[in-house]
Amino acid sequence: ETGVTQSPTHLIKTRGQQVTLRCSSQSGHNTVSWYQQALGQGPQFIFQYYREEENGRGNFPPRFSGLQFPNYSSELNVNALELDDSALYLCASSLDSGESEKLFFGSGTQLSVL
Amino acid sequence: AQTVTQSQPEMSVQEAETVTLSCTYDTSESDYYLFWYKQPPSRQMILVIRQEAYKQQNATENRFSVNFQKAAKSFSLKISDSQLGDAAMYFCAPHVSTSGTYKYIFGTGTRLKVLA
Repeated sequence: ETGVTQSPTHLIKTRGQQVTLRCSSQSGHNTVSWYQQALGQGPQFIFQYYREEENGRGNFPPRFSGLQFPNYSSELNVNALELDDSALYLCASSLDSGESEKLFFGSGTQLSVL
Repeated sequence: AQTVTQSQPEMSVQEAETVTLSCTYDTSESDYYLFWYKQPPSRQMILVIRQEAYKQQNATENRFSVNFQKAAKSFSLKISDSQLGDAAMYFCAPHVSTSGTYKYIFGTGTRLKVLA
């Protein structure tokens, strides 16, 4: 049990819609990262938030955005959904953003775009 | 480019036997950390073992150990006395910095089957 929870567990949307995925980190964890895991692939880094500011981004377009709140919760927003956005979205939190930090993952949100 | 290669899409091992999962990676950094994560059907990534690149001694964690060859950029995972609960996807993941942000670079994973 990592103490990181994500909601919803599963979600079905249609192309062009917008979606918000939620994550609740462990208390005291200042950093949250989001990863996209397509079927049969390893997770790909989307972005990271540290103390409510984005401090790193992977190769994802601006329609992927996020928020981090003072109560250790965070959101991933995706606008103008495309079929290729169908994937498992993983949230991971850590105490800090340094090189030695272990990430604690949630169980993910499975997003299907039809 | 920072890449990770797990050349074994799937491996099988008899219960109580030993299996080794391979991983090679490419990074220009000299100091970094390497991780193996396990992803069971529940989808939650679980940390298996961590290795500091500046340490020559291979990390061990109970039945799990690594063979870290820094010059060859190789980081294999050995599971001894395999158990049915070890069945899962295993991902090798260097933790590296890009423009000041540390992130994991995951491989494509190896599916481990444990046979009773």
